[in-house]
Amino acid sequence: DIVLTQSPATLSLSPGERATLSCRASQSVSSTFLAWYQLKPGHAPRLLIHGVSTRATGVPDRFSGTGSGTDFTLTISRLQPEDFAVYFCQQYDSSPLTFGQGTRLEIK
Amino acid sequence: QVQLQESGPGLVKPSETLSLSCSVSGGAMSSYYWAWIRQPPGKTLEWIGYTYYTGSGRFNPSLRSRVTMSVDMSNNQFSLTLTSVTAADTAKYYCAQMGGSSFRHLFVAAWGNGTTVIVSS
Repeated sequence: DIVLTQSPATLSLSPGERATLSCRASQSVSSTFLAWYQLKPGHAPRLLIHGVSTRATGVPDRFSGTGSGTDFTLTISRLQPEDFAVYFCQQYDSSPLTFGQGTRLEIK
Repeated sequence: QVQLQESGPGLVKPSETLSLSCSVSGGAMSSYYWAWIRQPPGKTLEWIGYTYYTGSGRFNPSLRSRVTMSVDMSNNQFSLTLTSVTAADTAKYYCAQMGGSSFRHLFVAAWGNGTTVIVSS
């Protein structure tokens, strides 16, 4: 199984700041089969990014994804109050599909 | 925009069978793969599997022997059956619509809100 390790576990920032979330894979994720999701309590999880860098429909352009191989990054350029949530990466290169353990983005 | 809503019992006894349904609105059942994902307390998300209306599917090898999924086109629903449950199956279960262009490379395009299932006597 491909193990995804996200860091940091918790990130404390203020609105307006830039957030950088990391996702490292235990083996290379071929092509562009990596996605990012946002989870908020009481809400359905939301797809943010697929194919490493393609924003899902309706996702603001302050969200961007980069990376290749084993190292991937989700960047939120200017944090808005609604961005404070838990973020998961997921690989869909090989079975079983696996998720990282999540990064909690909290208000400082 | 597709909307998904899980339903089913919140409490299941050990060794029994867990059955959940997902109602779909705004999405053509024949056009997508439909999935189940769960999150045990304090743990990360775990992919259970996904299925197509024809019956083809792909499942997590760790759960494959206990999982059945099916699509009910007439009622715009799909379902999950998990047999011989234990406390380790206690989790929040999400139904989902998969996205992507290749059967072997699908991401989760849309999620339900999730339903909590506790396995306990």
